[in-house]
Amino acid sequence: AQTVTQSQPEMSVQEAETVTLSCTYDTSESDYYLFWYKQPPSRQMILVIRQEAYKQQNATENRFSVNFQKAAKSFSLKISDSQLGDAAMYFCAYRSAYSGGSYIPTFGRGTSLIVHP
Amino acid sequence: DSGVTQTPKHLITATGQRVTLRCSPRSGDLSVYWYQQSLDQGLQFLIQYYNGEERAKGNILERFSAQQFPDLHSELNLSSLELGDSALYFCASSVRVGGRARDTQYFGPGTRLTVL
Repeated sequence: AQTVTQSQPEMSVQEAETVTLSCTYDTSESDYYLFWYKQPPSRQMILVIRQEAYKQQNATENRFSVNFQKAAKSFSLKISDSQLGDAAMYFCAYRSAYSGGSYIPTFGRGTSLIVHP
Repeated sequence: DSGVTQTPKHLITATGQRVTLRCSPRSGDLSVYWYQQSLDQGLQFLIQYYNGEERAKGNILERFSAQQFPDLHSELNLSSLELGDSALYFCASSVRVGGRARDTQYFGPGTRLTVL
């Protein structure tokens, strides 16, 4: 079974600075998807970024980018120019890409990001 | 806005009661997933439906059940409620494209259930 580990329960960053949230996963599969979701105080789960394992290029969405290291099974999220609105719980998730599966993603336990003004 | 809707937003009820949570997936999405998130907890997968059929089960209690209707909306039924069932219940939807899981889960805003 796949596991997703977010080793940082809490991180803090100054407004306008850059922060990196770490995520590692364990799998024997070669084709899969990785996601970062953001859960602000409203508790809505918002998709931040998505990475396909067969693509070597790191995904980027505006100020959010990932560092995907397939061999190391690492998938970190970098937030540049942090804003107060980035304060949230961030969840990393893994999902198999193989047909025939149930496609149930595995979520990490989350990292709480605090942004200081 | 993810396009996934959930009703009601808040629900307060008493122990022993039964409630129904409703979810409408994004237009075109065939899969619906239900999750439970207790306070300060991660997401616990409950159950998945795909095009009206149950596809996968997670840590869903026997007191809980779900179904997906022909119009693809889904309902999660929680019965004999206990204090510990108080949580945020999310619905997410996705769609499969061909034989490859190109889909991504999009979450609804959740239903906050409080059992008193």
